[in-house]
Parts: sequence; C-alpha cells; structure tokens
Amino acid sequence: NAGVTQTPKFRVLKTGQSMTLLCAQDMNHEYMYWYRQDPGMGLRLIHYSVGEGTTAKGEVPDGYNVSRLKKQNFLLGLESAAPSQTSVYFCASSSGTSTGELFFGEGSRLTVL
Amino acid sequence: QKEVEQDPGPLSVPEGAIVSLNCTYSNSAFQYFMWYRQYSRKGPELLMYTYSSGNKEDGRFTAQVDKSSKYISLFIRDSQPSDSATYLCASPEGTEAGTALIFGKGTTLSVSS
Repeated sequence: NAGVTQTPKFRVLKTGQSMTLLCAQDMNHEYMYWYRQDPGMGLRLIHYSVGEGTTAKGEVPDGYNVSRLKKQNFLLGLESAAPSQTSVYFCASSSGTSTGELFFGEGSRLTVL
Repeated sequence: QKEVEQDPGPLSVPEGAIVSLNCTYSNSAFQYFMWYRQYSRKGPELLMYTYSSGNKEDGRFTAQVDKSSKYISLFIRDSQPSDSATYLCASPEGTEAGTALIFGKGTTLSVSS
C-alpha cells in the first residue's frame, strides 16, 4: 500500500521556469492538501481540495496553481518559479474523519536558483 | 501571529529523560488537537490526537489540553534515541469535514544515548 506518493522528490529550477509537482494517493480519500515547509516557518497550507474538480486557496497561494481532475491526483504548478519558492513541498490526503488525520507524502525538495 | 505557536527548540535530552513539548493556540473555537512526529527528510505522521480538555495516554506518550489557558502539551516518558524527531502540534482550522490543519512551527528533539 503506497499511501501518498509525490513526484519528483528533488528538483532544481532556474528563476522563471515552470514545473508541476504530482501527488497521488491510493486510499480513496476525498480531501487533499499541498503544504510547504520552510525553516522557522513550519508547515503552511498552499492550496487544498475537498473533492474531485474542486480547489481552494490556503494561507500562501500566490505563485501556485493546482488542479484535481482525478480524485486520486492533486497537481501543484509553479508557472514562473522564484527563489522564494525554494522549499520542501508536502502533499497530504484525508478521509475527513473527526480525528482530522492527514496522511503525508515524503516531500518534494525544490530549489530555485 | 500564527494561531498555533510552538517553541522550535532545539531540545536535547539524555536517554531516559522526561520530555515536555508545548504549544499555545489563540482560537477558542479549536476543539481537536493533534501531535505529529516528523523524522528527518520524511513526511509528518500522526502521533496522537485529543478532543477538548484533558489527558490522553498512549504508551510512553501523554497528550494534555488545557482549554482555559489554550495550552497543549506532549509528554514523553523514558525518552529513547528513536524519539529524536521534530514534533508538530496542530488543530483543524474549521469544523467542516476535511478541514485543513493549522500547524505549529515544530520542536526538534534530540535524545542522546
């Protein structure tokens, strides 16, 4: 059982380049999330989705776009990467139970030069 | 100011010590509180969750919530080197199913043998 899988795990971009991070979950979860984690800042919510075809903004959405065309996939796009987007990105999914448990992927480390 | 505040540490203790990790929160509407554990270069994993006030015990771990002072604590008894990780407190930002979690910045714990 793979759980939540993120690809790629590492990527180096030049300023202005674009890329897409893919998150796939095999737990049939309705809810999916993208967080970024930076030293001294903790985990901050970028965008989230409450179901296939839906997306919503989180705390730090600027510079990112997302899509949830299939229930099991949640894509995070950077249209024009900036050095401030150097971070570790975590995808998570949830079944929406009252315990609020989120299942996280192992992270995607992105460096923007 | 983030709605969940946590001292980032780092915290270093010898094996066998009792560890106390603490968070404060500002939103009185928060009802569920979670502790996630994150090993280096891994995604966070749910360690414990509690509802409202009181204590919850799971083996060497005890989670405590004091809603009157908006204080969340995690105690680790007989700490082990395998407990070395970053511990994040979290709470759902709303009451709807699948609502995203707001995380503290995390406290990095190192247990030496």
